[in-house]
Amino acid sequence: SAVISQKPSRDICQRGTSLTIQCQVDSQVTMMFWYRQQPGQSLTLIATANQGSEATYESGFVIDKFPISRPNLTFSTLTVSNMSPEDSSIYLCSVGNLDTDTQYFGPGTRLTVL
Amino acid sequence: TQLLEQSPQFLSIQEGENLTVYCNSSSVFSSLQWYRQEPGEGPVLLVTVVTGGEVKKLKRLTFQFGDARKDSSLHITAAQPGDTGLYLCAGAASGGSNYKLTFGKGTLLTVNP
Repeated sequence: SAVISQKPSRDICQRGTSLTIQCQVDSQVTMMFWYRQQPGQSLTLIATANQGSEATYESGFVIDKFPISRPNLTFSTLTVSNMSPEDSSIYLCSVGNLDTDTQYFGPGTRLTVL
Repeated sequence: TQLLEQSPQFLSIQEGENLTVYCNSSSVFSSLQWYRQEPGEGPVLLVTVVTGGEVKKLKRLTFQFGDARKDSSLHITAAQPGDTGLYLCAGAASGGSNYKLTFGKGTLLTVNP
């Protein structure tokens, strides 16, 4: 399985500011995803990060609020824009394995918005 | 929209007891995955089941995929405190976007020594 790292691991931010989360994979992967996990909840898919094209967003998530970059096959960023306390969550990136139909997750970024 | 109903939501048991977690859906999945997540970490893949009726064992954990590929169960024998964590099932869509996972709400398991 791929080794996935995320930066930062946690942050405390002020309302109205933006935070960019980085996801780095140790090998080239086709599929990368961004999820949100609100406190005590399960995972909700935000978007699929597509290399070389715009991300594909799920219902309820928009590019203006969660812009995503995917400049190559090993790296992606998710920005949480104009943050409010409701954005306090764990944000996770994951990669898909074409051969085994599975996804592997990074360690997550714990965001607290004051 | 495919939904996965996971139960129970919370489970607190004593060391040595057995338990079963269930994941049910009205939709067919091409595969189903089970993850365990510990506080402050991302979900860690335990197993992927693909074939209807498939049973996989991982030490004291037994995973089963229903014949119709609509449901799955996780059975833990002689639970230990190290099994404590959030257990998540996730189904991959049947046909089309296989890598788009639908997650259950999770089962928070606490095993008391």
